[in-house]
Amino acid sequence: KNQVEQSPQSLIILEGKNCTLQCNYTVSPFSNLRWYKQDTGRGPVSLTIMTFSENTKSNGRYTATLDADTKQSSLHITASQLSDSASYICVVSAGQLGGYQKVTFGTGTKLQVIP
Amino acid sequence: NAGVTQTPKFRVLKTGQSMTLLCAQDMNHEYMYWYRQDPGMGLRLIHYSVGEGTTAKGEVPDGYNVSRLKKQNFLLGLESAAPSQTSVYFCASIATGTGMSPLHFGNGTRLTVT
Repeated sequence: KNQVEQSPQSLIILEGKNCTLQCNYTVSPFSNLRWYKQDTGRGPVSLTIMTFSENTKSNGRYTATLDADTKQSSLHITASQLSDSASYICVVSAGQLGGYQKVTFGTGTKLQVIP
Repeated sequence: NAGVTQTPKFRVLKTGQSMTLLCAQDMNHEYMYWYRQDPGMGLRLIHYSVGEGTTAKGEVPDGYNVSRLKKQNFLLGLESAAPSQTSVYFCASIATGTGMSPLHFGNGTRLTVT
């Protein structure tokens, strides 16, 4: 069964600090991994996508890494801002390249940035 | 572009009542999905559609029905609501099913069944 596990479940950090969120997955055959940001009361929004051959992908202050050998990904947030307070969801797609993808969602890490 | 629009935003039902959730997208996407989000669980797929006139079951389809009569609309129906269906429901769409495009989500419908 395909699974995506995230840690920690929740995290509180001071504004301006950095943090790293973790994602472990057992999904086969792996196609790609995305990180989504979900603000309270809103739908998730894609931050980054990485395929098997990519190790790092950045989107502003967000940097995602992927280790396909250990099946781990991380999302690093630099110089956090109050607006970073949200849930961050790791989503892994399985399937053949160009074919229909089956998507598995993690349970998310709830990040709170405090002044 | 409005993206993906869900109506209503909130609803309270009594056990046994029925309702329809509407999802509309203006991006000409082929694929549309209905998910439910519950505390401590990842988004779970209820039903999906790979094109106008088609529907298929996801991982938690029991108690729900769907229809995709028009490409831009995807309806989720609850024929006889149960307290276990209390959840936040998200609709999403994607241009193709190949996974290289992101899912575009609506802002959800919060449903409470008493």
